[in-house]
Amino acid sequence: AQRVTQPEKLLSVFKGAPVELKCNYSYSGSPELFWYVQYSRQRLQLLLRHISRESIKGFTADLNKGETSFHLKKPFAQEEDSAMYYCALALVTGGGNKLTFGTGTQLKVEL
Amino acid sequence: GAGVSQSPSNKVTEKGKDVELRCDPISGHTALYWYRQSLGQGLEFLIYFQGNSAPDKSGLPSDRFSAERTGGSVSTLTIQRTQQEDSAVYLCASSLLFSGTGYTFGSGTRLTVV
Repeated sequence: AQRVTQPEKLLSVFKGAPVELKCNYSYSGSPELFWYVQYSRQRLQLLLRHISRESIKGFTADLNKGETSFHLKKPFAQEEDSAMYYCALALVTGGGNKLTFGTGTQLKVEL
Repeated sequence: GAGVSQSPSNKVTEKGKDVELRCDPISGHTALYWYRQSLGQGLEFLIYFQGNSAPDKSGLPSDRFSAERTGGSVSTLTIQRTQQEDSAVYLCASSLLFSGTGYTFGSGTRLTVV
């Protein structure tokens, strides 16, 4: 069965410091991975997906199939990056993408 | 609509009562999902709809939970004889069939069972 692991419940960094939110997955097929973000009092929203290989709000994530990881990185943290971050793995089933989420990492950027 | 709409936004109910949670997905999105978000538990998959049918209901915690979708649009999640452990935020999301862009989530219904 597919599984997503986010080992850190809370990550606290100073403004301007690099950020790395860890995500590991287990899946026997070809993975499709996403990062979702939930800012305080806002709805959960898509941050980025691995197939687009894009950078959103300065964040990037590279799929490493050898290490089965999809860590989220940003070189210089900003205060507005404080939020809850969820890594998710898509399983194509019955014509739709069923997402399996990790338990999330709360990122706190301190001044 | 422009986004996924959920109602009510908050619901406080007494233990043992039934509750109905509503989700109105983005127009044209054929796939609809229900998740439960509990503190420290992340997002727990409940059920998935493709059109009006539910190919995957493996995440429903017990037979007190049921869901339906009508007209390929609005979905209702029903919890019968609510228990305190049912307290959580219930999230609905929708997506295009075979969408690689991920889901669009609603703002959720916060259910508190007292």
